[in-house]
Parts: sequence; C-alpha cells; structure tokens
Amino acid sequence: AIRMTQSPSSFSASTGDRVTITCRASQDIGSYLAWYQQRPGKAPKLLISAASTLQSGVPSRFSGSGSGTDFTLTISGLQSEDFATYYCQQFFTYPLFGGGTRVEIK
Amino acid sequence: EVQLLESGGGLVQTGGSLRLSCAASGFTFAGYAMSWVRQAPGKGLEWVSAISGSTGNTYYGDSVKGRFTISRDNSKNTLYLQMNSLRAEDTAVYYCAKGSGLRTTSDAFDMWGQGTVVTVSP
Repeated sequence: AIRMTQSPSSFSASTGDRVTITCRASQDIGSYLAWYQQRPGKAPKLLISAASTLQSGVPSRFSGSGSGTDFTLTISGLQSEDFATYYCQQFFTYPLFGGGTRVEIK
Repeated sequence: EVQLLESGGGLVQTGGSLRLSCAASGFTFAGYAMSWVRQAPGKGLEWVSAISGSTGNTYYGDSVKGRFTISRDNSKNTLYLQMNSLRAEDTAVYYCAKGSGLRTTSDAFDMWGQGTVVTVSP
C-alpha cells in the first residue's frame, strides 16, 4: 500500500514568509497529487490538483510542484488567513491523505 | 452555486447503525463520483468510500469494508452512507466530497460539505 508522508508536521512562521511543505509518496504516483487547506472547524478546501494546477479562486501565492514521489506546496508571502493545516492527497490509487502540516503564527 | 449538505449524524451506541445523507445542488450530480471522507477528533483526513457517477460502482477503505454501504439516488441528487456495526473508532466528522472529474475510480475532491458529526459511545 502507498504511504504518504508530510513534513514538517507543524511549524511557526510570520506573515510575509515564504514557506514550503513537503509530501513524499512511498511509490511513484505520477502527478496524481492534490493539496488542501483546512481551517479550524471548517471543511477542507482544494488548493491544487494534479500536483501543480491551481484551483479557480485560489490566490497565486500558492503553488505546487513535483512528480513521481516528491512534491511541494509553497506559499509565497504568508497571509493571516493562511494559518491553517495543509494536507496532501494521492489519487493514483484509492484516495490517501498525508498526515497534515499545521502552520502556526510565530 | 455548488453545495453539499450532510445530515443524519448523531450519537449511537457501539454496534448500532446510522444512515448519513448528502444533498447536492448546483452541478450535474450524476456526472461525478462522490466520496465520504471522515476526520476523527484532532486527527487527519481518512477516505471512507466512493461511488461512481452513473454506473454506481462502489469502493471502500479497509477500515469500513463489510460494515458501511455507500449508495446514491441520482434522481434526488443525494448521496448516502449506511453505517452498521459501528465502533468507537468510527467517531468522526463525516464529510461528503465531490470528485473533480479528473479521474474515475480515484480523484481529488473539489467540493466538500460542512460535515456531520457521528459519535459512537462504548
């Protein structure tokens, strides 16, 4: 079975920072990877699909890259509303989420 | 506006049953696969089950296989999850989620409901 590992599990950052979250798959999943943002008490929101395709309405400061086993989500210029938990999800096989990365205010 | 509205959650004893519903609007419901995804308190996201749009093919995670049944009524634009033999570890917020259409049997989820809380008491 595929395993999805996100790192770090949490970190602190300041508004305006450029931050990167990593997601690693235990086997090649091509570009079948999505990124979600979840704010406390809310449903997840799809940010990026197919590893790098930004969803309509998502700010351009969010970007995704990678293919195969290694993927990254980058936020260029962290805003106050970006403090949340981020999940990667592979859809090469049955959907599987990474453990999440919590971005906290420094 | 695309909208998903779950209902049917509640408190149930171990071994009991519950049926969740998800009413969809704002898109051609029959044209998309739908899934249930759950989140235990303070934990991450876990895919539970999926059903294809028109053929009705179903898929389950290992933790619920044989206990949960997903179904849909395309004439009512509604998704269901019948949950039997419930366990304490099934306690979670259950979200219905719409497949993006990028793939058929597995997909990213481009729309989510607000969630319904299921609590299974020992």
